[in-house]
Amino acid sequence: KQEVTQIPAALSVPEGENLVLNCSFTDSAIYNLQWFRQDPGKGLTSLLLIQSSQREQTSGRLNASLDKSSGRSTLYIAASQPGDSATYLCAVKSAGGSYIPTFGRGTSLIVHP
Amino acid sequence: GAGVSQSPRYKVAKRGQDVALRCDPISGHVSLFWYQQALGQGPEFLTYFQNEAQLDKSGLPSDRFFAERPEGSVSTLKIQRTQQEDSAVYLCASSQREGVDEKLFFGSGTQLSVL
Repeated sequence: KQEVTQIPAALSVPEGENLVLNCSFTDSAIYNLQWFRQDPGKGLTSLLLIQSSQREQTSGRLNASLDKSSGRSTLYIAASQPGDSATYLCAVKSAGGSYIPTFGRGTSLIVHP
Repeated sequence: GAGVSQSPRYKVAKRGQDVALRCDPISGHVSLFWYQQALGQGPEFLTYFQNEAQLDKSGLPSDRFFAERPEGSVSTLKIQRTQQEDSAVYLCASSQREGVDEKLFFGSGTQLSVL
């Protein structure tokens, strides 16, 4: 059974810092990995989707990388802003015959001015 | 529609009551997922539909939980005889096709509180 771990669980940084959020998974046989953002009391908003054949995806100040063989993905946030404060979740779709994405617990990020 | 719509946004139930949560996916989306999210946790899978077929219900915590999608669009998650441990946010997500490369789109969720 796929297990997804996100480190750190919480992070508080001053505005302007570059950040790295980590996501690890136990079964490297995956189809894709998706990063989401969740604001308090809201649903999940998709940030980036990386296919298993890809190494990274970029959108604006966000860059996500995937190292499938080592079971890891990182989300890099450049020049963080207070508006980036949210919980960041990764979800892994395993190649085990089921198309069910498995989520980590998330990293709660606070960027203070 | 423009996005995944869930209703009600909030639901307060007395222990023992039955509740029904609705999900209206993006028009034309084939796959539909229900997840349960406890406070401070990641979403936990409940059940999955491809069109009207319920292909996986392995995450439903007990036989008090029942989900349907009779016409392959709107889905309803029903919880019978609610218990306090059912208190959580229930999230619905849809994707365009059955496939490995499809992006998930989530609704805002229904926050269920059982008193």
